[in-house]
Amino acid sequence: ETGVTQSPTHLIKTRGQQVTLRCSSQSGHNTVSWYQQALGQGPQFIFQYYREEENGRGNFPPRFSGLQFPNYSSELNVNALELDDSALYLCASSSRQNTEAFFGQGTRLTVV
Amino acid sequence: AQTVTQSQPEMSVQEAETVTLSCTYDTSENNYYLFWYKQPPSRQMILVIRQEAYKQQNATENRFSVNFQKAAKSFSLKISDSQLGDTAMYFCAFMKLGANSKLTFGKGITLSVRP
Repeated sequence: ETGVTQSPTHLIKTRGQQVTLRCSSQSGHNTVSWYQQALGQGPQFIFQYYREEENGRGNFPPRFSGLQFPNYSSELNVNALELDDSALYLCASSSRQNTEAFFGQGTRLTVV
Repeated sequence: AQTVTQSQPEMSVQEAETVTLSCTYDTSENNYYLFWYKQPPSRQMILVIRQEAYKQQNATENRFSVNFQKAAKSFSLKISDSQLGDTAMYFCAFMKLGANSKLTFGKGITLSVRP
């Protein structure tokens, strides 16, 4: 098991609401990436944070936003939830020196 | 932009036998990494094996090995002596070298190991 933890593990929200997902990175890692994995699909890159700055973004609308804190933990915020936002959200931490990304167990978000 | 294609949606193998999972990718980059990740029902992505594109030698990790064909842009995973614990989804992934590195995943393949 990796040192990456995500909370909550499951979440149900109503369309139009806002949600915040949290990720604690592995010790010594300063880079956090977020991925969205729809059912039966591979993960899609949302964005990456390095030393508290956004460091690359995938093809996701601005209502997907994030933060990274001085301890390198991170949040993913999604505003105006849509039904298609229902997915598993994965957080991965890594260091600049090492290409290996360590994943958390994900947050299963259901939008009804 | 990079793309990763896994055309087999699912495979099944008898315990103790060997199975090969296929992956092709497309990129204009010359320096990159390729990965196979395993995702069991627990949902956590676990790195199985990694290949640096500049290395001609195929990577191996115990029962897992790859066949990396750079010119053909092919990257298959061979699992020898399959075990029940190998039952999972397997994802092929690409990452280019440098800043802003991100993983580009294929759609995955469901592998079932039969007792």
